[in-house]
Amino acid sequence: EPEVTQTPSHQVTQMGQEVILRCVPISNHLYFYWYRQILGQKVEFLVSFYNNEISEKSEIFDDQFSVERPDGSNFTLKIRSTKLEDSAMYFCASSALAGQETQYFGPGTRLLVL
Amino acid sequence: LAKTTQPISMDSYEGQEVNITCSHNNIATNDYITWYQQFPSQGPRFIIQGYKTKVTNEVASLFIPADRKSSTLSLPRVSLSDTAVYYCLVAPGDTDKLIFGTGTRLQVFP
Repeated sequence: EPEVTQTPSHQVTQMGQEVILRCVPISNHLYFYWYRQILGQKVEFLVSFYNNEISEKSEIFDDQFSVERPDGSNFTLKIRSTKLEDSAMYFCASSALAGQETQYFGPGTRLLVL
Repeated sequence: LAKTTQPISMDSYEGQEVNITCSHNNIATNDYITWYQQFPSQGPRFIIQGYKTKVTNEVASLFIPADRKSSTLSLPRVSLSDTAVYYCLVAPGDTDKLIFGTGTRLQVFP
């Protein structure tokens, strides 16, 4: 069964540093998403991406965040200058169709900002 | 978006049927009810979706009464591997942003 993959699985960084989280969505999917989950809290929507542009973003997704699909297979989330509160599990998801029932999530990248 | 209310946690034993009820009193006409499952340190996984009446797949059943103000996810004969957090999401069918609540933490005991 096709899977969404994410790298790295864990990342430790210093406050103020830039990080890039990478995702390889399922190959025929057209819609891409990033979510995050702070330890012990809810899964939170960050951004959706379709047709090479952001479809929707949450209030969490401020100017420090950006997304990119640099080639036909990767989907990246960049945090420009990390803060302590950015420490969380970041999940990438993809879907073939828009909607609530078709999103496939990756295993996540655990980001720790020191 | 409709507000959802679920029990914080539930316990069960292997082989039992588990029913998790979600309340969504202000559900809108174009809202669908979707359930996701999340294992520890993993991303959420779609389980089932419905609009009204009953939906069944190989994993679960979803019961939705006529007024649609609540829904019940039914897991037949749970096993230890069903220990997870279960989320009820209510949103328009054409919305792709998933809004998760706190979910129901199901613990299955041997």
